[in-house]
Amino acid sequence: GAVVSQHPSWVICKSGTSVKIECRSLDFQATTMFWYRQFPKQSLMLMATSNEGSKATYEQGVEKDKFLINHASLTLSTLTVTSAHPEDSSFYICSARSGLAGGIRSLTDTQYFGPGTRLTVL
Amino acid sequence: AQSVTQLDSHVSVSEGTPVLLRCNYSSSYSPSLFWYVQHPNKGLQLLLKYTSAATLVKGINGFEAEFKKSETSFHLTKPSAHMSDAAEYFCVVSDTGGATNKLIFGTGTLLAVQP
Repeated sequence: GAVVSQHPSWVICKSGTSVKIECRSLDFQATTMFWYRQFPKQSLMLMATSNEGSKATYEQGVEKDKFLINHASLTLSTLTVTSAHPEDSSFYICSARSGLAGGIRSLTDTQYFGPGTRLTVL
Repeated sequence: AQSVTQLDSHVSVSEGTPVLLRCNYSSSYSPSLFWYVQHPNKGLQLLLKYTSAATLVKGINGFEAEFKKSETSFHLTKPSAHMSDAAEYFCVVSDTGGATNKLIFGTGTLLAVQP
């Protein structure tokens, strides 16, 4: 089955530093990757959608200059939290969706989720 | 706009008894609907999905869900709960009419299974 990995699984950093989180699709090519954040005991909230080779599309209220997303290849997307603050502490989860098949987007495309990265900013 | 409502934040059942996790959706388009499960400190795992084929969808681990358009519901069921089913369950709708197929998550239902 489709496997998505994230690295690191957890990270602790000081306030004001930047943290990079990697999301990789291990056995398929992901033309689209999504980044979510999940606060304790809450649901997942979509932060941004990233398509390979183009700029990410951010959801309303998400600062694009603070959460930098790069999707440079079909198997790797990175999220960089710049100048992190304690309120950025959260569980960050990525998902990946496979690309077009024969030029026709399948309506049954499924997003495969990574295991998440727990960020704690001191 | 698409949305999902999970009617119960917590459900507790005894091992071996049926499980019912309720979900209602709102969608302007023909929706794709999913149930995901999240075990503690783990990623989300797809249980099952509905994409306008059969209305009764069978998933992994004995779970199934029935799409009822008249009731705008997509409740998740399992005949007999197992201790390993204890987890958080999310009902999710996807906008199949949009270009990005964004997923909209419900607030989750925490399932506890008592021995």
